[in-house]
Amino acid sequence: KNEVEQSPQNLTAQEGEFITINCSYSVGISALHWLQQHPGGGIVSLFMLSSGKKKHGRLIATINIQEKHSSLHITASHPRDSAVYICAVRFIETSGSRLTFGEGTQLTVNP
Amino acid sequence: DAGITQSPRHKVTETGTPVTLRCHQTENHRYMYWYRQDPGHGLRLIHYSYGVKDTDKGEVSDGYSVSRSKTEDFLLTLESATSSQTSVYFCAIREQGAEGYTFGSGTRLTVV
Repeated sequence: KNEVEQSPQNLTAQEGEFITINCSYSVGISALHWLQQHPGGGIVSLFMLSSGKKKHGRLIATINIQEKHSSLHITASHPRDSAVYICAVRFIETSGSRLTFGEGTQLTVNP
Repeated sequence: DAGITQSPRHKVTETGTPVTLRCHQTENHRYMYWYRQDPGHGLRLIHYSYGVKDTDKGEVSDGYSVSRSKTEDFLLTLESATSSQTSVYFCAIREQGAEGYTFGSGTRLTVV
């Protein structure tokens, strides 16, 4: 079964802390996405990865294809980073470029 | 900067009534998707479209139908709404050959 698991489900941090959110998947993928969902509900795409590492500002995403694992890091966290972070993958054998989503990680950054 | 809009944003309806949600894009993207988001689950695919009049089922398609008569519009219909269809519905679009997805703002549907 094609599955995506995220950990932790909930994460509370103090402003300035380094944060890591993990994503594991079950079988081969062609792409992995990290998404952010703010309290208002809108979903925005942060990264798309098929290998290696990407960085945008204080956000860093890495993927290890052999380990079937990805991490999202936030450096110098800020209260405005509080959101749900969602991992989504495109499994190789699925049609229509469909994504399978993890349940999300609720991040709260306190001042 | 929308490029993709969903309507309505909120709706309350009674059990047994038909409901149609609209996803409209101005990007001329080929692929359009309808997802639902529920507590304890990741977003789950209901239906998707890969072109005008070309649609296919996702993992939770029972009780839903879709239509795409124009590139820019993808309609999701609940023929006879049930309380289990209370959810937040998201539309997403993707250009052919591209990897990035753009999501709509969501429609919160409550079936009472």
